[in-house]
Amino acid sequence: NAGVMQNPRHLVRRRGQEARLRCSPMKGHSHVYWYRQLPEEGLKFMVYLQKENIIDESGMPKERFSAEFPKEGPSILRIQQVVRGDSAAYFCASSLQALVSTDTQYFGPGTRLTVL
Amino acid sequence: QKEVEQNSGPLSVPEGAIASLNCTYSDRVSQSFFWYRQYSGKSPELIMSIYSNGDKEDGRFTAQLNKASQYVSLLIRDSQPSDSATYLCAVHPGYQKVTFGTGTKLQVIP
Repeated sequence: NAGVMQNPRHLVRRRGQEARLRCSPMKGHSHVYWYRQLPEEGLKFMVYLQKENIIDESGMPKERFSAEFPKEGPSILRIQQVVRGDSAAYFCASSLQALVSTDTQYFGPGTRLTVL
Repeated sequence: QKEVEQNSGPLSVPEGAIASLNCTYSDRVSQSFFWYRQYSGKSPELIMSIYSNGDKEDGRFTAQLNKASQYVSLLIRDSQPSDSATYLCAVHPGYQKVTFGTGTKLQVIP
């Protein structure tokens, strides 16, 4: 499967627990983006990463949320001490580069997080 | 003013008609433009990308870009019930992240 992969597809956590969402970009892609989508709402940008670097985290809540994209392995979006308001679909997208004509983002299937 | 604006809809069209979806953007230096389709409960799927003024056709889909007026549109000819989805417009200024509109919900009535 050469597409963007995300796991788990569904994640249930109780309030106060930690959620770890993983994203493996398309082969050859070094740019990863995370988005959150609440039911019946649009995509909200969270963070943009390249290998080992956070490029833009302007959409990330200041507390409890963190993201990384290590040299080896998938990108991780980590939510500590989850609250009910964190329940949403979290989508990862990847692109080959960030330059015009190579900046097309391809989305993974998403992780549906439910906080009880 | 929002960076990328779309009418939320729903836009209802009869089967076989042309659906016209519009998007305006505020950053005049934007260079890349994308249309994504998102079915309920699914992830966004790329339909078209367009970089130059004018029309770009792919099957039943035509993207139209007018940089002077800062709008991009998507036409769907011979609309089918399976086209019923939310359509997201995305704009890339070329120097920072892609910005998505909130999407237009399209309903194709059989």
